[in-house]
Amino acid sequence: QVQLVQSGAEVKKPGSSVKVSCKASGGTFTSYAISWVRQAPGQGLEWMGGIFPILDIPNYAQKFQGRVTISADKSTSTAYMELSSLRSEDTAVYYCARFIGATGYYFDYWGQGTLVTVSS
Amino acid sequence: QSVLTQPPSVSAAPGQRVTISCSGSSSNIGSNYVSWYQQLPGTAPKLLIYENNKRPSGIPDQFSGSKSGTSATLGITGLQTGDEADYYCGTWDSSLSAGPVFGGGTKLTVL
Repeated sequence: QVQLVQSGAEVKKPGSSVKVSCKASGGTFTSYAISWVRQAPGQGLEWMGGIFPILDIPNYAQKFQGRVTISADKSTSTAYMELSSLRSEDTAVYYCARFIGATGYYFDYWGQGTLVTVSS
Repeated sequence: QSVLTQPPSVSAAPGQRVTISCSGSSSNIGSNYVSWYQQLPGTAPKLLIYENNKRPSGIPDQFSGSKSGTSATLGITGLQTGDEADYYCGTWDSSLSAGPVFGGGTKLTVL
């Protein structure tokens, strides 16, 4: 049983950056991909990007290219998502999730979510 | 604007059956598997259906999925008030900006 535990809520100023962590337990961290999905208040789900730790190569949604950095630390089984140049529209709950891409393209385990509030 | 189209809301009485549709295109639903997620208020999404019609361990057979062409459908039978949630469809989009995509979500109300 895979468990993903995320870091706590953050309040950030516009223009700053935020880094959210996602610690995995259960399963073999390097054998699956971790994605980041965000959900603005009252809105739907939006994929931001992901990483396959064993390859250490991230891929990003076009919308976030240049502003998001996704990384993984194999030694601690932790994935990170850093979003820079924050604006009010980035206020959202950010989720990490295990992505199964070899066959069905789906997210089978999710973190509890991290609320990031961007406000002056 | 979501890549996949879902109705904003559906409703039905307890014990009844409801279906939720998800419409896409040839570059996403038309050529890839569909998954469905349930999001109860204030919680993370939970996988209900994967690969069009498979249920993960622990998901009751009250939930079912199907796909035809560029559309997919989630069916829920024996509705209970505990099924009130937002439901999202998802798939892979193989267009230029390839990646996972979702529907806008459907709010299910059990009257």
